[in-house]
Formats: sequence, C-alpha cells, structure tokens
Amino acid sequence: QKEVEQDPGPLSVPEGAIVSLNCTYSNSAFQYFMWYRQYSRKGPELLMYTYSSGNKEDGRFTAQVDKSSKYISLFIRDSQPSDSATYLCAMSGGSYIPTFGRGTSLIVHP
Amino acid sequence: DAGITQSPRHKVTETGTPVTLRCHQTENHRYMYWYRQDPGHGLRLIHYSYGVKDTDKGEVSDGYSVSRSKTEDFLLTLESATSSQTSVYFCAISDPRVENSGNTIYFGEGSWLTVV
Repeated sequence: QKEVEQDPGPLSVPEGAIVSLNCTYSNSAFQYFMWYRQYSRKGPELLMYTYSSGNKEDGRFTAQVDKSSKYISLFIRDSQPSDSATYLCAMSGGSYIPTFGRGTSLIVHP
Repeated sequence: DAGITQSPRHKVTETGTPVTLRCHQTENHRYMYWYRQDPGHGLRLIHYSYGVKDTDKGEVSDGYSVSRSKTEDFLLTLESATSSQTSVYFCAISDPRVENSGNTIYFGEGSWLTVV
C-alpha cells in the first residue's frame, strides 16, 4: 500500500458543479498538505497548502484536512472547463521531501 | 511563477549515450529536486540536493547521477541512456527558510526525453 492514495479518475462533471477531490494517507507524521494542478504537458502548479488540520479557502477552492481520519480534500466550487486538469495531492512531515499522490484527472464539460 | 528554467525542454537520444539535463533557478532556494513522471507511476523522486555539493538519492536513482556546484544549478545526468528512461523530467525547488512556505515545492516546466 502506498503512503498516499488518490483515485486516478477520470472524474467528469458538468460546468458549475462542485467538485470534490480526495486523498488518504497512512503516515501520521504528515503535517503539511498541498494540492497541485497540472495541465497537460505542463509542470505541476501549487494551488494551496495547509498546515495540520482544518480548512483553508482561496477563491473557488477549499482545502480540508482531517488528520484523525488521515483524509484530505480539495473542493472546487462553480467548476469551469478551465479547471480541467490533473490534481495531485502531496504531503510531508519532518523532512523536506513531499510524498505525492498519483493524481486525479478532472474533466469539466460545458 | 517560480524562476525555474529547465534545458533542454525536448531531447531525443540514442540508447547508450550520455544525457545531461539542466535546472537553473533564480530564487536562491536551498533545496532542489529531480523527479520523473510516468503514466501509472505519478511523480517519482530521482535525486535531491539540500545545498551546494550536498545531494542524496530518491526512490528511483539507479542509472542517474546529479551534481550541484552552485546554488542556482542542479544537473541530472543519465550516464548511459536506456529506453526505460524515456520520460518527462521535472526539476523542483523549495526553501523552508522562506516564511510561511510550509514544505511547498515549486516545479519547472519539464524536460521531455525520448531514448530510441
């Protein structure tokens, strides 16, 4: 079992839908949690990061961390076709080497 | 955008030839990383550096070497390229000394390598 599990999808939703992307993990030492967006043939782009548990909001994006369940989520409100991309979760603990999920492919169709 | 430049961006090479990929950063970040990304495997760490001349192996380091002689440059060398090293390679940087950075890392745009 990988330290970080992420459903590869694809997840297909209509424009305007609320999208929920999730990762589970097994290492209780993880404290930093990150979400990246990757467009086709581009490098991953940092969307948000959170420290420890709780929620963080940035525009249409909300990151949520539940350390008791070892579960993190990224919510996208009012999804747009431009949100179509692969979303990767990443997390780290005391080292500066993050562990990445394999990514979820999101398709938002008009 | 983080100031990371990878070169070359695309390369086709023959099996058995040496290949060097270069990563240049303008952010003065302490940590630099080389990842490869393949379908079904996601991002896998090859090597990383935590300072000039300080490097360490990642999970898929066999067949690769790295060097960091200056803060801004991190080189990845395939000593004798094989077809299994056909991949897209990403350089990344981070610096925990940056306030409120967490352990976030920033990626370059990638180098597409094909070994024929």
